[in-house]
Amino acid sequence: KNQVEQSPQSLIILEGKNCTLQCNYTVSPFSNLRWYKQDTGRGPVSLTIMTFSENTKSNGRYTATLDADTKQSSLHITASQLSDSASYICVVSPHQAGTALIFGKGTTLSVSS
Amino acid sequence: EPEVTQTPSHQVTQMGQEVILRCVPISNHLYFYWYRQILGQKVEFLVSFYNNEISEKSEIFDDQFSVERPDGSNFTLKIRSTKLEDSAMYFCASSTQRDSRLRDEQFFGPGTRLTVL
Repeated sequence: KNQVEQSPQSLIILEGKNCTLQCNYTVSPFSNLRWYKQDTGRGPVSLTIMTFSENTKSNGRYTATLDADTKQSSLHITASQLSDSASYICVVSPHQAGTALIFGKGTTLSVSS
Repeated sequence: EPEVTQTPSHQVTQMGQEVILRCVPISNHLYFYWYRQILGQKVEFLVSFYNNEISEKSEIFDDQFSVERPDGSNFTLKIRSTKLEDSAMYFCASSTQRDSRLRDEQFFGPGTRLTVL
């Protein structure tokens, strides 16, 4: 069964600190992996998209990595800001499913001052 | 910057009633999607739509659900007879590409919170 698991479920860090969020997936074959940021009560916003041949992708203070062999991905946030407080969702596109995206449950990040 | 819009932001209805959730996708996009997120759970795919027909649908999208693009701008999700378990946030999304292998970006709307009493 295609699944996307994320850890930790929630995380609290101080403003200015770095953090890394983890994603493991069992989707196979696999097309691409995305990280989305979802603010409370809002729709998801794409941060990065990586195909199986890409190992890393950066978007400002966000850096995503992908290991297609171990089916793991991480999202590293550098110098966190209060506005980074949100849910971060790992999303996988299965190769054969076409348009359907498979979402993880997300990691809830709280950045405090 | 163009964005996907959804109305209403919150809909409260009685069990058994019909509801229509509305979405205006980004104007030059050709592929449209509905997702839902039950409180505290993950986002789930419902249906995708292209060229006035359903491209793909999930097990959740049963006979109680239907989608329509009644004019050139709106994209609607209808639930014929709502159940308590239909209470969720419903997200509309749109993209320029259908096949996610082409790394299309799906742009999501802000969602409609549906509460079934």
